Amino acid sequence: NAGVTQTPKFQVLKTGQSMTLQCAQDMNHEYMSWYRQDPGMGLRLIHYSVGAGITDQGEVPNGYNVSRSTTEDFPLRLLSAAPSQTSVYFCASSTLRGWRIEAFFGQGTRLTVV
Amino acid sequence: GDSVTQMEGPVTLSEEAFLTINCTYTATGYPSLFWYVQYPGEGLQLLLKATKADDKGSNKGFEATYRKETTSFHLEKGSVQVSDSAVYFCALYSGGGADGLTFGKGTHLIIQP
Repeated sequence: NAGVTQTPKFQVLKTGQSMTLQCAQDMNHEYMSWYRQDPGMGLRLIHYSVGAGITDQGEVPNGYNVSRSTTEDFPLRLLSAAPSQTSVYFCASSTLRGWRIEAFFGQGTRLTVV
Repeated sequence: GDSVTQMEGPVTLSEEAFLTINCTYTATGYPSLFWYVQYPGEGLQLLLKATKADDKGSNKGFEATYRKETTSFHLEKGSVQVSDSAVYFCALYSGGGADGLTFGKGTHLIIQP
C-alpha cells in the first residue's frame, strides 16, 4: 500500500522557471490538499480539492495552480518560481467520516528557488 | 477563524524525562484534534487524535486528552527516548468539507541521552 506518493523529493529551480510537483494516492480518497511548511510558520494550506474536477484556494494560493482530473492525482504547478516559494511542500490525502477527518501525508518535496 | 497555539521550541530534555507539549485552540463548531509527528527528513505522520470532549488519544506511549472547557489538547509522555526527537504539530479540523487542517507552528523536541 503506497499511500501518498510525492515526487520529486528535492528540486532546485531558477527564478522564473516553472515546474509541477506530483502527488498521487491509492486510497481512493476524495479529498486532497497541498501545504507548505516554512520555519516558524507551521503548515499552511495552499490549495485543496474535494473531488475530481473540483479545486479551491487555501490560505496561501498565490503563485500556485492545481488541477484534479482524476481521483488519484493532484499536481501542484508553479508557473514562474520565485525565491519566496522556497519551502517544503506536503501533499495530503484525506477521507471524511461525518465530522471526522483522516489525513495522510506524503514524504514532502524540498524546493529551493535561486 | 480557526487557530492552534503550541509552545515554541526547541524543547530539550534528557532521556526518561516527562514530556508535556502544550496545545490550545480556537475553532468554530466542534473540532477534531490531532497530533502529528515529523521525524528528520520525513513527512508528517498521525500520532494520535481525539474527536470529542474528554476523549484520550494515545499511541507509542504518547497521550493527549481533549479538554473542551480549556480548549486544550496537551501532548504528554511519561518517559521520552532519544528516538522521540522530532517536530510535533498540533492540528484541528472543524469544517464540514475538506478545506484542510489548521496546524500549530510545530514544536521541535530534542532528547539527549
